[in-house]
Amino acid sequence: QKEVEQDPGPLSVPEGAIVSLNCTYSNSAFQYFMWYRQYSRKGPELLMYTYSSGNKEDGRFTAQVDKSSKYISLFIRDSQPSDSATYLCAIQGAQKLVFGQGTRLTINP
Amino acid sequence: NAGVMQNPRHLVRRRGQEARLRCSPMKGHSHVYWYRQLPEEGLKFMVYLQKENIIDESGMPKERFSAEFPKEGPSILRIQQVVRGDSAAYFCASSLLIQKREVSTGELFFGEGSRLTVL
Repeated sequence: QKEVEQDPGPLSVPEGAIVSLNCTYSNSAFQYFMWYRQYSRKGPELLMYTYSSGNKEDGRFTAQVDKSSKYISLFIRDSQPSDSATYLCAIQGAQKLVFGQGTRLTINP
Repeated sequence: NAGVMQNPRHLVRRRGQEARLRCSPMKGHSHVYWYRQLPEEGLKFMVYLQKENIIDESGMPKERFSAEFPKEGPSILRIQQVVRGDSAAYFCASSLLIQKREVSTGELFFGEGSRLTVL
């Protein structure tokens, strides 16, 4: 079983739609949960960072963590074409980040 | 304030040659990570280094791959006798480690990656 599972998509939605991206993980010892965004041919950049179960909001983005289900989500409201990218969940292991496969998202104008 | 600098951005090698990828971390960062990304796949951890020390190399192939982060100069990821399966994007990241509760963590800042093509 992979430590972090993420549906690779691709996911294509119209502009303005609400997007839901999800990951599951297997190790209950993981404590820090992150979402990175990666544009084509670029390095990943940190989007959101959470520690505890619950929701964290930053503008149009909401990160949600459910430790009891080992499930994390990223919601994007009022999606824009500029949100088109690959979104990777990342979970803090002992001394390194473990990444999901990444979901390729396209927002169509 | 320069970010993580990686070079070369693109590297082409023939089978059997050596590839050297360099990474200069962000100013003040003493922790460097190397990840490999194959097409349509996520980032796979390779190695975590601090200055002059390899902390975790559990993701490094046992043969042909090595990494170092000397006291002076950039971190180097070295691949000897490259094979076609080594073709990938190699990303370096650096962090300023923060001790929070019982866990050491810190945001990783990634470089733009080095894309290796093996012919």
